[in-house]
Amino acid sequence: DQQVKQNSPSLSVQEGRISILNCDYTNSMFDYFLWYKKYPAEGPTFLISISSIKDKNEDGRFTVFLNKSAKHLSLHIVPSQPGDSAVYFCAASYGQNFVFGPGTRLSVLP
Amino acid sequence: DTGVSQNPRHKITKRGQNVTFRCDPISEHNRLYWYRQTLGQGPEFLTYFQNEAQLEKSRLLSDRFSAERPKGSFSTLEIQRTEQGDSAMYLCASSRRDSLLGTDTQYFGPGTRLTVL
Repeated sequence: DQQVKQNSPSLSVQEGRISILNCDYTNSMFDYFLWYKKYPAEGPTFLISISSIKDKNEDGRFTVFLNKSAKHLSLHIVPSQPGDSAVYFCAASYGQNFVFGPGTRLSVLP
Repeated sequence: DTGVSQNPRHKITKRGQNVTFRCDPISEHNRLYWYRQTLGQGPEFLTYFQNEAQLEKSRLLSDRFSAERPKGSFSTLEIQRTEQGDSAMYLCASSRRDSLLGTDTQYFGPGTRLTVL
């Protein structure tokens, strides 16, 4: 029972272009969504979040979009940089319940 | 540095041995979580503390696993009679609920990688 899905295990993007990472969820109780970035041998690092009362949140090169009716969110990175190469996890929560997706490995090619 | 810290970073043990991991959360955070992560998967929830009270445990947490947070600060996760299937990255996260926004953002430590031979 995978409540949070990231259907693309990997994504390759050219430096300077846009990276779009997608995430789908099934539980309508989720009201807060987060993206984390993880480098090898490190713990996940919080990147950006969005509450269910919003449909967009922006922080520098990172923008998260939420479509509640479709139960879908996406992370846009513009422009992509080689240092963005990492595994990106989507997480959905309500209260103290957090569920993580399986991750998408982003490779930004110079 | 005031982030979440975990010790040890790596642990190699033989099957059947007991291991204990420690997590020191961000000091003003009252919530603490333990997760397990295996290759190709996202973090899987194990257990959750609010202050010193353990409020929730996943069914992944068999009776060989026990976690404590005795004074509501640091926490320990013990695995008894380790099995090869316990090999994973064990992650700790802490948070403090934002009463204004009603949100709860978790911050992770670097993890402890356990290898059971």
